[in-house]
Amino acid sequence: GENVEQHPSTLSVQEGDSAVIKCTYSDSASNYFPWYKQELGKRPQLIIDIRSNVGEKKDQRIAVTLNKTAKHFSLHITETQPEDSAVYFCAASINYGQNFVFGPGTRLSVLP
Amino acid sequence: DSGVTQTPKHLITATGQRVTLRCSPRSGDLSVYWYQQSLDQGLQFLIQYYNGEERAKGNILERFSAQQFPDLHSELNLSSLELGDSALYFCASSASQGRLGTIYFGEGSWLTVV
Repeated sequence: GENVEQHPSTLSVQEGDSAVIKCTYSDSASNYFPWYKQELGKRPQLIIDIRSNVGEKKDQRIAVTLNKTAKHFSLHITETQPEDSAVYFCAASINYGQNFVFGPGTRLSVLP
Repeated sequence: DSGVTQTPKHLITATGQRVTLRCSPRSGDLSVYWYQQSLDQGLQFLIQYYNGEERAKGNILERFSAQQFPDLHSELNLSSLELGDSALYFCASSASQGRLGTIYFGEGSWLTVV
């Protein structure tokens, strides 16, 4: 089955700096890659997603890149703010929603 | 608000007991997923249903079972509870058409086993 790895497990950056989180997946059939942000005690919320027919997608300060050949995708957050502090999960799925598998998460701390 | 409703929000029960967690998916969503999240841990996939049928199974214990009813709501049954079952249980749903693939999480049900 699909296996998703995520690095780093924790990340601390200064406010205003950029943060990058990387994920790799094992199943080449995976074709949908969402990213979720989870604040303490709350539900994971979708922040951005990318499909396998796209190499990059951007939404304001957040961007995601996908390398299908290498089977990895990354989340980029620019101009980080304290409210970006949270746990971020990547995920991979087949058939646009079947068999969702999440990475172990990255705890991002943005230091003022 | 994601549109996914979970009840109860909080539940405290004793070891050996049985509880049922309930989930109502977003209107029109046919897929329901259940995840377990222990303290400071990741999202462990338990099971997925699509239109009443089991679609995928993760690391779900034999003491746990789930089902999806004709009205598409789902229930997760946890029996012979152990202290280690204390966790936040999330339900999520996704659409069968439209914006395919995106899953939306409910607020979760906090289960504490004492």
